[in-house]
Amino acid sequence: QSALTQPPSASGSPGQSVTISCTGTSSDVGSYNYVSWYQQHPGKAPKLMIYEVSKRPSGVPDRFSSSKSGNTASLTVSGLQAEDEADYHCSSYAGSNNYVFGGGTKVTVL
Amino acid sequence: QLQLQESGPGLVKPSETLSLTCTVSGGSISSDNNYWGWIRQPPGKGLEWIGSIFYKGSTHYNPSLRSRVTISVDTSKNQFSLKLSSVTAADTAVFYCARASRYNDAFDIWGQGTLVTVSS
Repeated sequence: QSALTQPPSASGSPGQSVTISCTGTSSDVGSYNYVSWYQQHPGKAPKLMIYEVSKRPSGVPDRFSSSKSGNTASLTVSGLQAEDEADYHCSSYAGSNNYVFGGGTKVTVL
Repeated sequence: QLQLQESGPGLVKPSETLSLTCTVSGGSISSDNNYWGWIRQPPGKGLEWIGSIFYKGSTHYNPSLRSRVTISVDTSKNQFSLKLSSVTAADTAVFYCARASRYNDAFDIWGQGTLVTVSS
């Protein structure tokens, strides 16, 4: 299985929106609605932000939203805030009890 | 609340076996609703799923690492462990243990991570 493809970086000004893509294949993202997104600040452990493509765990602001079309999932952060500056990783179930992550996207708040 | 903590040597020599343990506190590892996983992150790179285990002992491994990985569980100690054999410098990474839901396949609770360096 190959890693999911994410852009290395993305940026936006405070208050704006930024969208990150996560491209897989018909064997992972395209076949299952088990796409997750994680936020990771420097030196910290990842934090679950989105699961099952578009569901938010309790406590995650509704500024974070996600969707999927075909083999590509997308995370949108609306109303960017300084604390949203972090790395974002996507993940997908890949069948046969396997999981695959993306390479991560560094989001910069300008 | 549930917490996970990795422990083990921070330095391993090439060709040797890396061994880490994850201790679960504030809850039981013997949950029918969860499984437990290891994920690693080489410096400056993305996350890589290593493998997962259910408390009854069933395991699943990343195909690219399967020949070198063993994950085990000790329910009496509320711990699960990782062994990665024949390590090279390419295995240098921060290793995380994490809990996942069997129903949504997302890792919702993570340990703080531990850096393991492979060097002679």
